[in-house]
Amino acid sequence: AQSVTQLDSQVPVFEEAPVELRCNYSSSVSVYLFWYVQYPNQGLQLLLKYLSGSTLVKGINGFEAEFNKSQTSFHLRKPSVHISDTAEYFCAVASSNTGKLIFGQGTTLQVKP
Amino acid sequence: GAVVSQHPSWVICKSGTSVKIECRSLDFQATTMFWYRQFPKQSLMLMATSNEGSKATYEQGVEKDKFLINHASLTLSTLTVTSAHPEDSSFYICSAHPSYGLSTDTQYFGPGTRLTVL
Repeated sequence: AQSVTQLDSQVPVFEEAPVELRCNYSSSVSVYLFWYVQYPNQGLQLLLKYLSGSTLVKGINGFEAEFNKSQTSFHLRKPSVHISDTAEYFCAVASSNTGKLIFGQGTTLQVKP
Repeated sequence: GAVVSQHPSWVICKSGTSVKIECRSLDFQATTMFWYRQFPKQSLMLMATSNEGSKATYEQGVEKDKFLINHASLTLSTLTVTSAHPEDSSFYICSAHPSYGLSTDTQYFGPGTRLTVL
């Protein structure tokens, strides 16, 4: 079975400060890892994904994430956040066999002026 | 590219009635579509996997007779909530897995449908 744990339910941060949203996963098979962003009353937008290869993945809006196999982590980072980054962020794992996505609980990023 | 639409975006219905939600991939074909349910301030829970031309596969605990899924074509899947009750009120989100062309390892999500059952 696969699972995803997002360690922080809420992350408040000031504008232009760096941020890290933490994600740990567990799986006994090869997985794909994803970060999605959800704005209020909207669907999910893909930020970035890790399939294989380089462990540092760059995504849209200046976000990046690093896959760490030994620590089973896939933390999301941004060096300088904007007010517009305020949203819900979901880490997800997908089995390479089924494609099913298992989501973490979500982290609310609150960017303050 | 990779646009998924849902209709309606919100719906209010009376208890005991049925509601149909459509999920369409607008610019690609999707062999597989997924249906999720999201309660306020919670994560997405996979309800079922919908494959074109075959029966949907439901996750454990999801009532297949209550949540009817039809994937009639490569661009359309529908979710019908039958005999809806207030506890069925939720945000329903679909996603589509491209058959080819676009990243076949990525799901593309619709904007969601807010269902309120009175």
